[in-house]
Amino acid sequence: DGGITQSPKYLFRKEGQNVTLSCEQNLNHDAMYWYRQDPGQGLRLIYYSQIVNDFQKGDIAEGYSVSREKKESFPLTVTSAQKNPTAFYLCASSLRGAGKDTQYFGPGTRLTVL
Amino acid sequence: GEDVEQSLFLSVREGDSSVINCTYTDSSSTYLYWYKQEPGAGLQLLTYIFSNMDMKQDQRLTVLLNKKDKHLSLRIADTQTGDSAIYFCAESSPRSGYSTLTFGKGTMLLVSP
Repeated sequence: DGGITQSPKYLFRKEGQNVTLSCEQNLNHDAMYWYRQDPGQGLRLIYYSQIVNDFQKGDIAEGYSVSREKKESFPLTVTSAQKNPTAFYLCASSLRGAGKDTQYFGPGTRLTVL
Repeated sequence: GEDVEQSLFLSVREGDSSVINCTYTDSSSTYLYWYKQEPGAGLQLLTYIFSNMDMKQDQRLTVLLNKKDKHLSLRIADTQTGDSAIYFCAESSPRSGYSTLTFGKGTMLLVSP
């Protein structure tokens, strides 16, 4: 059963703590992406990776970090430097990262900072 | 600049047609996409159109592209209550070599029985 999984579905953290969101895909896609979604704001790109061991900043990378040590995994760490981390986080992947390649999305993780 | 704009809300009755509009500003965009998001879920690709096309039809969905006006629309025929969701327009971004997408803020479609 191929697809993209994100865990956990809901995550709570205290202010000042780092937290890591998981994203795994078994589609054999080269490219992976992290987006943040706030109500009424659409999706904003945090980081993306077109190949293992390489990644680029998106539009709102400050306060976030990523790694791409394996093709199937692209974890996102929300650090304590992120001033307003409460949001819905979406992971996506595409075959090669070209514009014509469809991006497939995971179910999302809702992060709430208490 | 790269801004994708959509109206925020559309309400229709079941059985009517729905038309969701989108404007984009980047004339270099090559692929334009429509995604659907149901509450609390990820995004599901509905359809896409290449910039050298004017129209694409897929069952109840019709996409129209007016490249001169940078206007994209999604028409849903015979709208059902299950079509209630947020619809996002997105364009491939030349700024990143077309390897990323820029999304609009989404149009919430509410279908009443």
